[in-house]
Amino acid sequence: SQQGEEDPQALSIQEGENATMNCSYKTSINNLQWYRQNSGRGLVHLILIRSNEREKHSGRLRVTLDTSKKSSSLLITASRAADTASYFCATDANTGNQFYFGTGTSLTVIP
Amino acid sequence: KAGVTQTPRYLIKTRGQQVTLSCSPISGHRSVSWYQQTPGQGLQFLFEYFSETQRNKGNFPGRFSGRQFSNSRSEMNVSTLELGDSALYLCASSRQGPLNEKLFFGSGTQLSVL
Repeated sequence: SQQGEEDPQALSIQEGENATMNCSYKTSINNLQWYRQNSGRGLVHLILIRSNEREKHSGRLRVTLDTSKKSSSLLITASRAADTASYFCATDANTGNQFYFGTGTSLTVIP
Repeated sequence: KAGVTQTPRYLIKTRGQQVTLSCSPISGHRSVSWYQQTPGQGLQFLFEYFSETQRNKGNFPGRFSGRQFSNSRSEMNVSTLELGDSALYLCASSRQGPLNEKLFFGSGTQLSVL
C-alpha cells in the first residue's frame, strides 16, 4: 500500500500564482523528500527535509513538515509554465531501506 | 558527471516473453533502486541493490528479479510477461541508499506488453 498520498490529485493555476500541494503519510519517518516528474520522464529531486526539521526553503520552493500530523506541504511561489509537472512526496517509513512514493499531484500552470 | 542511464528507452514484448532492463548508475553510487510506475498504481518499489547484494525487496512476484554487478550497474528481469507488466520502469541511484539522501533517476524504460 502507498505510504504517502498527495492532495489534491490535480491542480491548475495561472502563471504567477502560488501552488500548494500536501502529502500525508502513515508511519514515522526519518526524512521526507519531494520530487518532480515531467511527463513520461524520470523524477528529479527537489528537497529533502528531515524528521527533526519543520521548514525548508530552496529558491521558490518551501516545504513544511508536521510529524505530529504525519503531513508535509510543498509551496511553489510565483509559478511558471515550466513548473507544469507531477509532484511526488517520498518517505522512508523508518523501517528497513524501502522508500515509498505518494500518489502524486499533477500541476498545470497556465501561461 | 554522467547521469543515470537506462536502456532501452522503449520496449515492446508479447505475453509470455521475458525482458531484461539495464541501469547504469552515476559513478561512485553503490545503491540502485528499481520502481514500476503505472497510471493506476503509481510508483511501486521493486527492489534495491547495494554492493551487489539485494538489500530490500518490494511486494512483487518472483517473476521480477534483479542483480547488480561489481561496477554497480544493475539489471532487472521480468519473466513470463503479463499484460499488467506494461509500465514505465525507473531506476534510481545514490551513494549509500534512499534513506537519508536524494535519489537520481534515469529517464526510464517504457515497457509495453501486447
